[in-house]
Amino acid sequence: GAVVSQHPSWVICKSGTSVKIECRSLDFQATTMFWYRQFPKQSLMLMATSNEGSKATYEQGVEKDKFLINHASLTLSTLTVTSAHPEDSSFYICSARDFGASGYQETQYFGPGTRLLVL
Amino acid sequence: AQTVTQSQPEMSVQEAETVTLSCTYDTSESNYYLFWYKQPPSRQMILVIRQEAYKQQNATENRFSVNFQKAAKSFSLKISDSQLGDTAMYFCAFLRPNTGNQFYFGTGTSLTVIP
Repeated sequence: GAVVSQHPSWVICKSGTSVKIECRSLDFQATTMFWYRQFPKQSLMLMATSNEGSKATYEQGVEKDKFLINHASLTLSTLTVTSAHPEDSSFYICSARDFGASGYQETQYFGPGTRLLVL
Repeated sequence: AQTVTQSQPEMSVQEAETVTLSCTYDTSESNYYLFWYKQPPSRQMILVIRQEAYKQQNATENRFSVNFQKAAKSFSLKISDSQLGDTAMYFCAFLRPNTGNQFYFGTGTSLTVIP
């Protein structure tokens, strides 16, 4: 399957600082990537859809000024948590949309996730 | 809106035995994809198996197979010859293709393989 990387894998920061998380599709181009947040023992919660070359689409209740998304190329999307606070501590996962060799086998592949701890 | 239901929060199986995880979904669409993802303790989401709704044949991937019942909107995952490495959270997911939309995930089933 296709490979998606995510960096950093974990980060600890002080309250009030900003943290950038990168999501890369390594062996395919992804016009669409997704950012999720996951709390312990819960399912993934979609935060936003990142589209290459255009503005991200945020889910209801997600502050777009708090979680800045940039999808500047077909292989890279970034999520910046601005002025992070302890309640932003969580596990963040990205995924990238791939259509396979045929162009019709749509699947999403996930990055390994980023553990964020805000002190 | 689509909903995905996994009614078994936790399950366990003896090593080498077979276990079935259930998933039902609700949709008015006729063309869609269904997935099972595995999330081990590392928390990396790993694609286990994929099924296209227009295909009548059930998908299989080595020890993993599905029982796809379109009319009943059921998509169960069967794991044969369970191994310790199968211990993980399993998520069922629904996707409408070519819409730019996200996955709809179930709440997950935590599977423990007992040695």
